[in-house]
Amino acid sequence: GAVVSQHPSWVICKSGTSVKIECRSLDFQATTMFWYRQFPKQSLMLMATSNEGSKATYEQGVEKDKFLINHASLTLSTLTVTSAHPEDSSFYICSAHSSGEIMETQYFGPGTRLLVL
Amino acid sequence: DAKTTQPTSMDCAEGRAANLPCNHSTISGNEYVYWYRQIHSQGPQYIIHGLKNNETNEMASLIITEDRKSSTLILPHATLRDTAVYYCIVRRNFGNEKLTFGTGTRLTIIP
Repeated sequence: GAVVSQHPSWVICKSGTSVKIECRSLDFQATTMFWYRQFPKQSLMLMATSNEGSKATYEQGVEKDKFLINHASLTLSTLTVTSAHPEDSSFYICSAHSSGEIMETQYFGPGTRLLVL
Repeated sequence: DAKTTQPTSMDCAEGRAANLPCNHSTISGNEYVYWYRQIHSQGPQYIIHGLKNNETNEMASLIITEDRKSSTLILPHATLRDTAVYYCIVRRNFGNEKLTFGTGTRLTIIP
């Protein structure tokens, strides 16, 4: 199956700093990537949809100026959490949309755990 | 997106078949049923999807009722590694249609 990686797998930062998370599709091209956030004991919540070469589409309630998304190539999307605060501590997961011959579905990365102190 | 309803939790003995139900009574004609699972602290893993016919792959079988208002995911011989949260999602199968995750079913495989 298709492989999606994320880097870093976990990060601890001080309040007020910015953190960048990378999402890569390793063996396929992804025109669309999705960014999710998951708080403890909760389900995944979609934050934004990232299309290669265009601006991301954010879900209602998600601050676009705080969560900067860049999708510069067909294999890489980045999420930058700017001026992170403790309430931004969460599990961030990306997925990449594969428009393959067999099926269309999303493949998920392993997630990035962010802890803001 | 159509909503789905799943039991909050289920237990299954190791080696037995695990049958996970899902209700999707408001599913539209062009929406597929997708199943994903999430093992603790990992990203979701795609399992299977279908439109109206029953589907089987190396991981599981998907049984969809004739009226498409419900479905059942079957793990034929559950192992301890199948302990996870299982999500049933309905979604149109084209373009960049997003996945909307509900609360899922927490399946615990018991030794």
